[in-house]
Amino acid sequence: EAQVTQNPRYLITVTGKKLTVTCSQNMNHEYMSWYRQDPGLGLRQIYYSMNVEVTDKGDVPEGYKVSRKEKRNFPLILESPSPNQTSLYFCASSLRLAATYNEQFFGPGTRLTVL
Amino acid sequence: GENVEQHPSTLSVQEGDSAVIKCTYSDSASNYFPWYKQELGKRPQLIIDIRSNVGEKKDQRIAVTLNKTAKHFSLHITETQPEDSAVYFCAASMNSGNTPLVFGKGTRLSVIA
Repeated sequence: EAQVTQNPRYLITVTGKKLTVTCSQNMNHEYMSWYRQDPGLGLRQIYYSMNVEVTDKGDVPEGYKVSRKEKRNFPLILESPSPNQTSLYFCASSLRLAATYNEQFFGPGTRLTVL
Repeated sequence: GENVEQHPSTLSVQEGDSAVIKCTYSDSASNYFPWYKQELGKRPQLIIDIRSNVGEKKDQRIAVTLNKTAKHFSLHITETQPEDSAVYFCAASMNSGNTPLVFGKGTRLSVIA
């Protein structure tokens, strides 16, 4: 089944404790992206990747890191989480950014709480 | 860069009535306009999209219209049903190069039975 998976789905952590949220897709998509969703603010892009070893900042990259060593994986790293990073996080992928049909497929989401 | 404004932020309609959600965008170079639906507790999913070479596109009870001159596009849902209740996001991008999608802030639609 074609899908985007994220782990963990739920995470409660404390300020300053490094964490990684994994994202994987099995559709051979070139483009992958991370969003955070907060009430009233919609979907804000954190980082995106056009292909392996190519990453770019989105609208709200502060406090986050990403890497794209393999095509299928795009982990989101919070080196020192803070309470303002409490949010619902979505990973998404699409065939490529400039494709004719570039539907973005979203993962199930990761609800992160930083105490 | 691109900026997408979406209105209204919340919308309540009676079952069977129509619902209209409007979005404006700032970058005249944008040419791809998708709409995503996010049901409660679920992930956003694409429901319809339109490209700048057409002015309207329909899919059963859902339609999207685009006015490139005014830089706005709208989602129309006719004969609304309770299962249409969700958050709807519009988005815009240039369908070329390396310009990511920019999303609106979303509209929470409630269909009252």
